[in-house]
Amino acid sequence: GENVEQHPSTLSVQEGDSAVIKCTYSDSASNYFPWYKQELGKRPQLIIDIRSNVGEKKDQRIAVTLNKTAKHFSLHITETQPEDSAVYFCAASTGSGYSTLTFGKGTMLLVSP
Amino acid sequence: DSGVTQTPKHLITATGQRVTLRCSPRSGDLSVYWYQQSLDQGLQFLIQYYNGEERAKGNILERFSAQQFPDLHSELNLSSLELGDSALYFCASTLDSYSYNEQFFGPGTRLTVL
Repeated sequence: GENVEQHPSTLSVQEGDSAVIKCTYSDSASNYFPWYKQELGKRPQLIIDIRSNVGEKKDQRIAVTLNKTAKHFSLHITETQPEDSAVYFCAASTGSGYSTLTFGKGTMLLVSP
Repeated sequence: DSGVTQTPKHLITATGQRVTLRCSPRSGDLSVYWYQQSLDQGLQFLIQYYNGEERAKGNILERFSAQQFPDLHSELNLSSLELGDSALYFCASTLDSYSYNEQFFGPGTRLTVL
């Protein structure tokens, strides 16, 4: 089955810096890669996703890049703010009706003012 | 608020006991997923139901079982509980069975086994 590795497990940055979280996946058939954000004590929420027919997707200060050849994808957050502090999970799936999301173990991002 | 509800919010019980966690999906969603979240294991997929039928199974123990009822709510049953079962249990729902849909998570049930 699919295996998703996520690094780093914790990341501390200063407000205004950029943050990058990286994930690798094992199943070359995977074609859907979402990122979920979980604030302390709250539920995970989708923040951005990318499908394998594109290499990059941006949404304001957040971007995701995908390298299908190397089987890795990354989340980039620019101009970080304290409210970006949360646990971020990457995930991968083949997108079919019988496949499910395989999540990475999460990255705790701490943005210091 | 995602529209997904879970009850109870907290559950404290003893080893060997059995508990039932309940999830109501967003209105119109047919698919329900159950996840276990512990500190060092992230979000572990347990099981998925679609329109009353089991669709996919993940790392679900034989002591655990689930079902989805005709009104589409779902229940996760955990039996012969062990200390290691203490975790946050989330359910999530999507419109259909395809995994490229956004999953809307409920607030979770925190289970503590003493």
